[in-house]
Amino acid sequence: NAGVMQNPRHLVRRRGQEARLRCSPMKGHSHVYWYRQLPEEGLKFMVYLQKENIIDESGMPKERFSAEFPKEGPSILRIQQVVRGDSAAYFCASSPRSPVEDEQYFGPGTRLTVT
Amino acid sequence: KQEVTQIPAALSVPEGENLVLNCSFTDSAIYNLQWFRQDPGKGLTSLLLIQSSQREQTSGRLNASLDKSSGRSTLYIAASQPGDSATYLCAVLSGGYNKLIFGAGTRLAVHP
Repeated sequence: NAGVMQNPRHLVRRRGQEARLRCSPMKGHSHVYWYRQLPEEGLKFMVYLQKENIIDESGMPKERFSAEFPKEGPSILRIQQVVRGDSAAYFCASSPRSPVEDEQYFGPGTRLTVT
Repeated sequence: KQEVTQIPAALSVPEGENLVLNCSFTDSAIYNLQWFRQDPGKGLTSLLLIQSSQREQTSGRLNASLDKSSGRSTLYIAASQPGDSATYLCAVLSGGYNKLIFGAGTRLAVHP
């Protein structure tokens, strides 16, 4: 069973461009979480999704950021009109059931650099 | 608001020492607590998960304890090795039980 997969692993965007980060959860996992790690800081929760539904987006900035987890295909974290402050490592995690019932398994992350 | 603090922020020890890493949290209403390891430029590897009803978990040379009432957890690493060098993160499942709240980590260096 392959682990959580994220791509690309490294992404460079110029200010104003769009960034699309993809996350394929582990097989059988229908719960996906996105976290952001700013340089020299801890991981911060962004959003929790279950197939086709956003369960909790309380950690996601209200503007420019969106997330989806369609019925088919990977979860996508989309950042529009990126700014330098978006430069960070973005981690995806997945679990087979709710976070109360199962631990979260993390992917290797996507490191976004905005120039 | 749940806050997680890890002490010390950094630790450098000679190989073979037994270590204790500390984690504290402000709100005892947690569902579980996890310890992770993060290598530079890499993702997170889960080390131990302690449910709120448990007091400790063990895996190999690692032992994690949880005192929910006092808002503390410790990660004990026995007979440290250079391969243990990494950042160790503590996280609690809190805030409506949807999100892991992370500490800033303890950066560990074990030198031969």
